[in-house]
Amino acid sequence: EDQVTQSPEALRLQEGESSSLNCSYTVSGLRGLFWYRQDPGKGPEFLFTLYSAGEEKEKERLKATLTKKESFLHITAPKPEDSATYLCAVQESGTSYGKLTFGQGTILTVHP
Amino acid sequence: DGGITQSPKYLFRKEGQNVTLSCEQNLNHDAMYWYRQDPGQGLRLIYYSQIVNDFQKGDIAEGYSVSREKKESFPLTVTSAQKNPTAFYLCASRDSPKETQYFGPGTRLLVL
Repeated sequence: EDQVTQSPEALRLQEGESSSLNCSYTVSGLRGLFWYRQDPGKGPEFLFTLYSAGEEKEKERLKATLTKKESFLHITAPKPEDSATYLCAVQESGTSYGKLTFGQGTILTVHP
Repeated sequence: DGGITQSPKYLFRKEGQNVTLSCEQNLNHDAMYWYRQDPGQGLRLIYYSQIVNDFQKGDIAEGYSVSREKKESFPLTVTSAQKNPTAFYLCASRDSPKETQYFGPGTRLLVL
């Protein structure tokens, strides 16, 4: 059974203090790993898709990386507006209907 | 603007009542999904549809029903058989070539 574990559950940073969020996964074969940002009371907003180990993607202060067992979401010099819950999800190869298995999320709080 | 809309934003259900949540997309995506989000848990798949007039049960389909009569629409009915319906419900559609799911703003269902 696919498993996705995100750590830490919650992370508090000072503005400008860089850090990383972790997403560990167990699948028989990876078709894609997805990162989303979710603000309170809203739907998840798509950030990145990673398809193979070694791949990296960047968007403003965020950079996502992928290995064969985990993905990291690096946040460089965060601002208070980066505060949100960050969700990781995986799609196993061989699933024809796009089933995603989600982690529980990391709640990021950035203090000014 | 292309996107996914969900209505209502808040929905109240009385004991023994069926309620229907609306989901509409204008992204021209074939596949659509319904997820349930509870505090401290990852998103869980209720139903999915890969094409019009076809849909399949997800991991937690009991007490729910769906229809897919139009490509743009995928309504979810929460029936009286669902004993614990209080949750945040999210609809998504998938960009098949990129395997990426995009989410609507969500509907929060509360029980009176």
